[in-house]
Amino acid sequence: AQSVTQLGSHVSVSEGALVLLRCNYSSSVPPYLFWYVQYPNQGLQLLLKYTSAATLVKGINGFEAEFKKSETSFHLTKPSAHMSDAAEYFCAVSSQGAQKLVFGQGTRLTINP
Amino acid sequence: DADVTQTPRNRITKTGKRIMLECSQTKGHDRMYWYRQDPGLGLRLIYYSFDVKDINKGEISDGYSVSRQAQAKFSLSLESAIPNQTALYFCATSDPGGSGNTIYFGEGSWLTVV
Repeated sequence: AQSVTQLGSHVSVSEGALVLLRCNYSSSVPPYLFWYVQYPNQGLQLLLKYTSAATLVKGINGFEAEFKKSETSFHLTKPSAHMSDAAEYFCAVSSQGAQKLVFGQGTRLTINP
Repeated sequence: DADVTQTPRNRITKTGKRIMLECSQTKGHDRMYWYRQDPGLGLRLIYYSFDVKDINKGEISDGYSVSRQAQAKFSLSLESAIPNQTALYFCATSDPGGSGNTIYFGEGSWLTVV
């Protein structure tokens, strides 16, 4: 079975500061990993995904994530936070041939002026 | 127009009533899903369908049913709504031929059961 744990249900950073959202996964097979973002009153939008190519994945809006097999992690980062980054972020895991995506509990990101 | 369209976007219904949420997609994907979102619980899978003749239960299917009327249409029904089914519901699609089982979501349907 696959699972995802997002460390911290709520993260608050200052505008211009580094954003780090943590995600650890469990999978008995090589995983596919995803980060989705949900802006207020909207659906989920794909930020980036890892599908066994380069371990450092660049996504939209300046976000990136690094797949670390030894740490079973796929943390999301952005060097400098903007007010528009305030949203809820979801990490998810799947695998080749898997029937569905398994989501973490979500992390709400707040940006302080 | 959105690739994955959900109707209604908001609905308030009474306990015991039957309610249907509809989903249509223009992405041409075979796979469709219904998820439920609750604060602190992330997204949980209710039902999924890999083609018109294929329906599968997810992790929280009790109290729900689905119908796959066509490749592009997948509806979710609550036969007798109860207050703890108050949540944000998402329809989604995916294409297994694409890389990594990427899922594409609709904008969600807010359901309140009073």
